[in-house]
Amino acid sequence: DARVTQTPRHKVTEMGQEVTMRCQPILGHNTVFWYRQTMMQGLELLAYFRNRAPLDDSGMPKDRFSAEMPDATLATLKIQPSEPRDSAVYFCASGSTSGRQTQYFGPGTRLLVL
Amino acid sequence: SQQGEEDPQALSIQEGENATMNCSYKTSINNLQWYRQNSGRGLVHLILIRSNEREKHSGRLRVTLDTSKKSSSLLITASRAADTASYFCATDETGANSKLTFGKGITLSVRP
Repeated sequence: DARVTQTPRHKVTEMGQEVTMRCQPILGHNTVFWYRQTMMQGLELLAYFRNRAPLDDSGMPKDRFSAEMPDATLATLKIQPSEPRDSAVYFCASGSTSGRQTQYFGPGTRLLVL
Repeated sequence: SQQGEEDPQALSIQEGENATMNCSYKTSINNLQWYRQNSGRGLVHLILIRSNEREKHSGRLRVTLDTSKKSSSLLITASRAADTASYFCATDETGANSKLTFGKGITLSVRP
């Protein structure tokens, strides 16, 4: 049963600390998306990769956020330094451009910055 | 920016009733998709309807698409308590490189 995995599932940190979230997309998928979900803003797209190349990161605050795909099985989202307003649930999703244009979501990382 | 706008924002119905949720969008699309999110979980894809399709069924789900009005509706028939969740429409805009734009979601509560 192929699924997207994300670690950690929960993270509590103090303001100013670095936070790294990891995602393992479904094997064979060539698109990876990072989303942030809050009650106020809903689901926001932060970054998008196709074949490991960043295609769109316009939704991401560039001064503190960075997203990378070191290889096809790992995507990372880093926040440095973290701020209380970064508290949210961060979702990774993967998909394939060769089939149906649907996205498969991971369980999310619930981040709380104190 | 929000492309899909769902309506209503919240819906509460009795088990066994039908639930109808609506979505409007602004630009031309390749397809429109509906996702469900249970509390504390990730989104799960429910159904996709292409821009050249008008209606699609999957089990108790029925989706319609009216591209002239730029709107879609999701009907869940014979609702169950397990259908309680948030429902999102997402549009695959023309030229958007497979990127989806999600609405803010509809909270559906099905009372046993």
